[in-house]
Amino acid sequence: GNSVTQMEGPVTLSEEAFLTINCTYTATGYPSLFWYVQYPGEGLQLLLKATKADDKGSNKGFEATYRKETTSFHLEKGSVQVSDSAVYFCALSDDRGSTLGRLYFGRGTQLTVWP
Amino acid sequence: DTGVSQDPRHKITKRGQNVTFRCDPISEHNRLYWYRQTLGQGPEFLTYFQNEAQLEKSRLLSDRFSAERPKGSFSTLEIQRTEQGDSAMYLCASSLKPRGVVNTEAFFGQGTRLTVV
Repeated sequence: GNSVTQMEGPVTLSEEAFLTINCTYTATGYPSLFWYVQYPGEGLQLLLKATKADDKGSNKGFEATYRKETTSFHLEKGSVQVSDSAVYFCALSDDRGSTLGRLYFGRGTQLTVWP
Repeated sequence: DTGVSQDPRHKITKRGQNVTFRCDPISEHNRLYWYRQTLGQGPEFLTYFQNEAQLEKSRLLSDRFSAERPKGSFSTLEIQRTEQGDSAMYLCASSLKPRGVVNTEAFFGQGTRLTVV
């Protein structure tokens, strides 16, 4: 079946530190991979995505590369800001199987950045 | 495009009461999903509509839960005889699935937070 395992938090960093949040997945088909972010009091927003192996998704300084050989999609940012404090969710979906585009989420990682 | 809208944002109800939530997807989005999120967990899939047809229901969706999407537009999620374990954030998402395109992006509403006391 499909599942996502995400690094547990919370993660606490100083401003301008390097960020990595690990994510690995299990899938029976050919999934697309996503990172969603949830800021306090707000809904889930798509941060970035990758639709096939070796694709790199990027947005707002965040990057993640779809690694089929290691079944991973780790989120990285070279220099975090206080405004990056949020909960980050790794997710996958697979339209080509029977799951019709539903998203499978990890448990989420709380990131707090201190000035 | 005003995004996915959910109503109400918060609902407090007594155990045993019925509640109904509404989701208005982005106009012309043909897919609509309901998820449930509890504290410290990622969202869990509940059910899915393509246009007006409900195509999949999770085992999480007990007989007390029912969802509709009349005319393929807005959707409602009803919980009958609420229990304390139903307390959670209920999220709605929509996406546009053109023929031949896979894994299109889902847009989420801000959710309805249900508290059963």
